[in-house]
Amino acid sequence: GAVVSQHPSRVICKSGTSVKIECRSLDFQATTMFWYRQFPKKSLMLMATSNEGSKATYEQGVEKDKFLINHASLTLSTLTVTSAHPEDSSFYICSAPSRPGGFTYNEQFFGPGTRLTVL
Amino acid sequence: AQTVTQSQPEMSVQEAETVTLSCTYDTSESNYYLFWYKQPPSRQMILVIRQEAYKQQNATENRFSVNFQKAAKSFSLKISDSQLGDTAMYFCASLSAGGYQKVTFGIGTKLQVIP
Repeated sequence: GAVVSQHPSRVICKSGTSVKIECRSLDFQATTMFWYRQFPKKSLMLMATSNEGSKATYEQGVEKDKFLINHASLTLSTLTVTSAHPEDSSFYICSAPSRPGGFTYNEQFFGPGTRLTVL
Repeated sequence: AQTVTQSQPEMSVQEAETVTLSCTYDTSESNYYLFWYKQPPSRQMILVIRQEAYKQQNATENRFSVNFQKAAKSFSLKISDSQLGDTAMYFCASLSAGGYQKVTFGIGTKLQVIP
């Protein structure tokens, strides 16, 4: 199946700094990628849809200026947490759709996630 | 809008036994897809099984099968011959067949397989 990578897998930063998380589709192209946030023992909350070559679409309640998304190529989307604070500490997961042979829909392939800890 | 409801926060099962995880959903779409994802302690989301809503036959993948009741909007997952490696969070999810590819997740069921 298609592979999605994320980098870094873990990051610890000081409050007030910015952190960039990369999401790459390794063996397929993705014009759309999705960013999720997952709190401990909770479900995945969709934050935004990353669109190659255009602005990201944010879900209601997600601060656009706090979570900057850039989808500069067909295989790379980045999420930058700006001026991070302890409440931004979470597990961030990206996904990218790819259509398996014979299927009529785009299956989501998930990255392994990035654990962000803001001190 | 789609909603997915999982009413069992935690479940446990003895190794080699069978367990069923419940899921109900609501959608206004005429065509959609349903999924069960597994998230082990590594946190990597793994697709367990998928069901296309227009197909009446229940999907099966080795020890995993679903009971898809379209009229009742129910989509339960049965795990047979449970193994220790099945210990994980299980998320039920839905996807509209339309152009927008957002997946809606339930809150998850934590499954513990007991040796």
